[in-house]
Amino acid sequence: AQSVTQPDIHITVSEGASLELRCNYSYGATPYLFWYVQSPGQGLQLLLKYFSGDTLVQGIKGFEAEFKRSQSSFNLRKPSVHWSDAAEYFCAVGLYSGGGADGLTFGKGTHLIIQP
Amino acid sequence: EPEVTQTPSHQVTQMGQEVILRCVPISNHLYFYWYRQILGQKVEFLVSFYNNEISEKSEIFDDQFSVERPDGSNFTLKIRSTKLEDSAMYFCASTRGDYNEQFFGPGTRLTVL
Repeated sequence: AQSVTQPDIHITVSEGASLELRCNYSYGATPYLFWYVQSPGQGLQLLLKYFSGDTLVQGIKGFEAEFKRSQSSFNLRKPSVHWSDAAEYFCAVGLYSGGGADGLTFGKGTHLIIQP
Repeated sequence: EPEVTQTPSHQVTQMGQEVILRCVPISNHLYFYWYRQILGQKVEFLVSFYNNEISEKSEIFDDQFSVERPDGSNFTLKIRSTKLEDSAMYFCASTRGDYNEQFFGPGTRLTVL
């Protein structure tokens, strides 16, 4: 069965510093990869996705992620964080079976804290 | 911009009662999903629905759960006899079906007392 690992439960970063959130997956086939962000009391907002092609993908709010097949990783990065980036970040994988009905498998999330 | 909506935002119920959580997916989407998130834990897939039938379900989605698309716009999740452990945030999601880009609603917080 597929699984997603986000090894960092909490990360604290100073405002203006760079950020990298780690995500590793275990999947039999090439998965489709997503990063979602959840602010307190809010739903899930898609930051970016990888389906195929260029392994470096750009998302909203200045985020990017790089798919590395050899490492089964899809790490999220941002060059300079803002206080408004404080939130919970979830990595998720899906398998496109041609029908679009597959449920996503989520990691446990990384709680990002921004220090002034 | 179209969005997934969910009602109510918060539902409080007594153990053993039936609850129905409602969702209005994005209008041109074809695939619909329910997920749940127990407080402090990860988001877990419950069920997917396409062409008026369940496509996939997880082991969490037992006989106490059912889904329905009663009309052209609503998508509902029913829990027949709620248990304390059903307390969670329930998210609805929808997609057109290509490449699994799912759009999530704001969630319904279910509290079972």
